[in-house]
Amino acid sequence: GAGVSQSPSNKVTEKGKDVELRCDPISGHTALYWYRQSLGQGLEFLIYFQGNSAPDKSGLPSDRFSAERTGGSVSTLTIQRTQQEDSAVYLCASSSTGQGSTQNWAPYEQYFGPGTRLTVT
Amino acid sequence: GNSVTQMEGPVTLSEEAFLTINCTYTATGYPSLFWYVQYPGEGLQLLLKATKADDKGSNKGFEATYRKETTSFHLEKGSVQVSDSAVYFCALRGTAGANSKLTFGKGITLSVRP
Repeated sequence: GAGVSQSPSNKVTEKGKDVELRCDPISGHTALYWYRQSLGQGLEFLIYFQGNSAPDKSGLPSDRFSAERTGGSVSTLTIQRTQQEDSAVYLCASSSTGQGSTQNWAPYEQYFGPGTRLTVT
Repeated sequence: GNSVTQMEGPVTLSEEAFLTINCTYTATGYPSLFWYVQYPGEGLQLLLKATKADDKGSNKGFEATYRKETTSFHLEKGSVQVSDSAVYFCALRGTAGANSKLTFGKGITLSVRP
């Protein structure tokens, strides 16, 4: 089956502009996560969704960052007024709760998408 | 809060050499521990895991043992191959729940030369 997909794969934007990053999780996965991978900071957690609600958004670095998830599926991460320090690879992951898990996907294991490379100039 | 510390890199080895990548963690209770690998041009994927003390995770010739007494989860392989060249991340999942977030170490780049 299809894995996690993200779009765009690359995004170059000017400082001060807003950007939207999209994540399509594995079908049937109720949990969705956003992480950020940057030089010097490694891999950092941003936000976690269970269904459409976000019980843990403790990793969002500022109020310029927001995310939503609709229909328990697609998620969008929005960065407003981008800054150069926002340049990073943004990774999305999804996992199942173990109930009625689809074949080939182990329950509770986080499966990662290919990421969106964001460059702010 | 939870944290993961990995040894500094990069690491360069010759093919068939023995590999050890150190990982220690700080967490309350009994977290689950993971090694993820990122091959060049590919996404992050789970290499192995251990969910309780003294468990050994293994995959593709790699092994790591969950040591509660030393809060460590060191990755080892007896004979590395060129195809093992990648970035390796140690991670933990805390006790907040099976769907809670992962906390990663900074990653280490392994290069294996023929």
